[in-house]
Amino acid sequence: QVKLVQSGAEVKKPGASVKVSCKASGFTFINYYMHWVRQAPGQGLEWMGIINPSDGTTRYAQRLQGRVTMTKDTSTSTVYMELSSLRSDDTAVYYCARDRVGGAVNTIGLSQLDYWGQGTLVTVS
Amino acid sequence: DIQMTQSPSALSASLGGRVTITCQASQDITKYLNWYQQKPGKAPKLLIYDASNLQTGVPSRFSGSGSGTDFTFTINSLQPEDIATYYCQEYYKFPGTFGQGTKLEIK
Repeated sequence: QVKLVQSGAEVKKPGASVKVSCKASGFTFINYYMHWVRQAPGQGLEWMGIINPSDGTTRYAQRLQGRVTMTKDTSTSTVYMELSSLRSDDTAVYYCARDRVGGAVNTIGLSQLDYWGQGTLVTVS
Repeated sequence: DIQMTQSPSALSASLGGRVTITCQASQDITKYLNWYQQKPGKAPKLLIYDASNLQTGVPSRFSGSGSGTDFTFTINSLQPEDIATYYCQEYYKFPGTFGQGTKLEIK
């Protein structure tokens, strides 16, 4: 069955960086786009960006441009999200999620997020 | 970015009753709308896609309708396990904006 397993909780100081991993199993990793979504305490959902695991093509939310980097390791079916220059308002639960569709090299797309990781709490303090 | 206005932000309903949530887009998004359910401490779960299509395994008491800018999500015969926060999300274009959520409680 499809599983997305994320790395554990992190506590970081302002100005530091954090890297969260999301290991996929139960499906062909390179065939589906992967997204990152975050949720600040008591708040709604915020889309952060997308990566095409087949070639690493990415697109990021404009407000995070320059601070977020998404990468992939095809050999371990893992995607990563790194956020730098952390601030207190980056405190949130970070989720990876699989898009229902995927595409060819150098493409990205957006449809339904049909499987989600369990979430990783990142606390900036 | 497309703005998604979801209402109400919270609502209280009786078991067995009917619940309706609306979501309005700031521009025409045709049918490109998803609905998710999120229970406390859990990841969101996809319920409805393409505005009205039920995701596999989701009970038929959940339904969605609408197109263009105005969308409705309905739960018929509310069950205790439906207590959650519900979010709409457009996927007409990036960044796939979510609505602010509707927290559903039992009356």
